Amino acid sequence: DAGVIQSPRHEVTEMGQEVTLRCKPISGHNSLFWYRQTMMRGLELLIYFNNNVPIDDSGMPEDRFSAKMPNASFSTLKIQPSEPRDSAVYFCASSFSGNQETQYFGPGTRLLVL
Amino acid sequence: AQTVTQSQPEMSVQEAETVTLSCTYDTSESDYYLFWYKQPPSRQMILVIRQEAYKQQNATENRFSVNFQKAAKSFSLKISDSQLGDAAMYFCAYRKHNNNDMRFGAGTRLTVKP
Repeated sequence: DAGVIQSPRHEVTEMGQEVTLRCKPISGHNSLFWYRQTMMRGLELLIYFNNNVPIDDSGMPEDRFSAKMPNASFSTLKIQPSEPRDSAVYFCASSFSGNQETQYFGPGTRLLVL
Repeated sequence: AQTVTQSQPEMSVQEAETVTLSCTYDTSESDYYLFWYKQPPSRQMILVIRQEAYKQQNATENRFSVNFQKAAKSFSLKISDSQLGDAAMYFCAYRKHNNNDMRFGAGTRLTVKP
């Protein structure tokens, strides 16, 4: 099993630009999560999907952030426009209901907004 | 609200020795899950061990074991025969049963001295 796949692994962009982060969950998993990790705030859940449907987006910082899951094997997290305070590591995780719903994390995308 | 507290920002252990990382949590629920994740310098979040609250027996995974004290809301991780590869950030996490919102502690940075 390839595990959760995220791309890109590193992203450097300028303030105001659009950033799109991508995630492919583990095959067969029906829940997908987006987290953000910063030194100041630690790991925060941004949004999660169950069977491709957004269930809880209360962690999404503001309207500049949006996430989609068009099918069971792909999700995107978009930031538009990006700001320096968005600089963080963004993790995608997936789980399967029935396996005690353990979440398996991808390698993360390190985002730097200049 | 559920919160997870890791009171040790940093810990150090000699190679081959045993170290215990502390974690406490706050909840009014009776059914939930607890996790320890390891984050090495690569930033990958790796599941170390998982405990179901309804199980009285402490979970064990090779050199890793937990001391789960439900009444005290304590969930410590014991690493036996520490190895250099165990050096990482360790995060304790809580998730309520039938709820995908997982809460993480601030983490403990473990250093292993040769």
